Amino acid sequence: AQKVTQAQTEISVVEKEDVTLDCVYETRDTTYYLFWYKQPPSGELVFLIRRNSFDEQNEISGRYSWNFQKSTSSFNFTITASQVVDSAVYFCALSEAYTGTASKLTFGTGTRLQVTL
Amino acid sequence: DTEVTQTPKHLVMGMTNKKSLKCEQHMGHRAMYWYKQKAKKPPELMFVYSYEKLSINESVPSRFSPECPNSSLLNLHLHALQPEDSALYLCASSQEVTGGTEAFFGQGTRLTVV
Repeated sequence: AQKVTQAQTEISVVEKEDVTLDCVYETRDTTYYLFWYKQPPSGELVFLIRRNSFDEQNEISGRYSWNFQKSTSSFNFTITASQVVDSAVYFCALSEAYTGTASKLTFGTGTRLQVTL
Repeated sequence: DTEVTQTPKHLVMGMTNKKSLKCEQHMGHRAMYWYKQKAKKPPELMFVYSYEKLSINESVPSRFSPECPNSSLLNLHLHALQPEDSALYLCASSQEVTGGTEAFFGQGTRLTVV
């Protein structure tokens, strides 16, 4: 069975601070995919990144960066110089790699990030 | 255009009503999904359609009935719902039907059952 754990329920930071959101996953599959989604108050889930299990390169996109470590089953997300617009709930998710399962995502419980001025 | 459009945005219905949620995408995506999200919880998968055919039903009660009339449209028909079915219903689509493909979500329909 697959499982995603986001131990941080809520995080509050002041604007311009860096913040890291933790994600730990469990799976028996050797091939799998990891995702991060952002959910602002409007409700829409916004896709941020996808990583497959064979690609452990870290990724940077503007103020966002992701650290994938297979050895610790972690896929952490860092926001550098946070802004008020980053306030949202962030979900880490895991997906199988089999045909027909499409985006059958197992989500973590989410981390609510509050960025204040 | 990377948009998934859901209507209505808000819906209040009685337990004896019949209503439908609608979802539309024009990205040529081959898979479409319904997820249910209770307050302060993560989304939970309900149904997956691949190439307009139902491929996954996560043991959803029959009072929820999905329909995929064509490759761009996905409906969720609701009948005899319970108050505990009140939630945000999210539609999503993805380019491929293989596991691990990124899904794009609509803004959801906030359903209240009274």
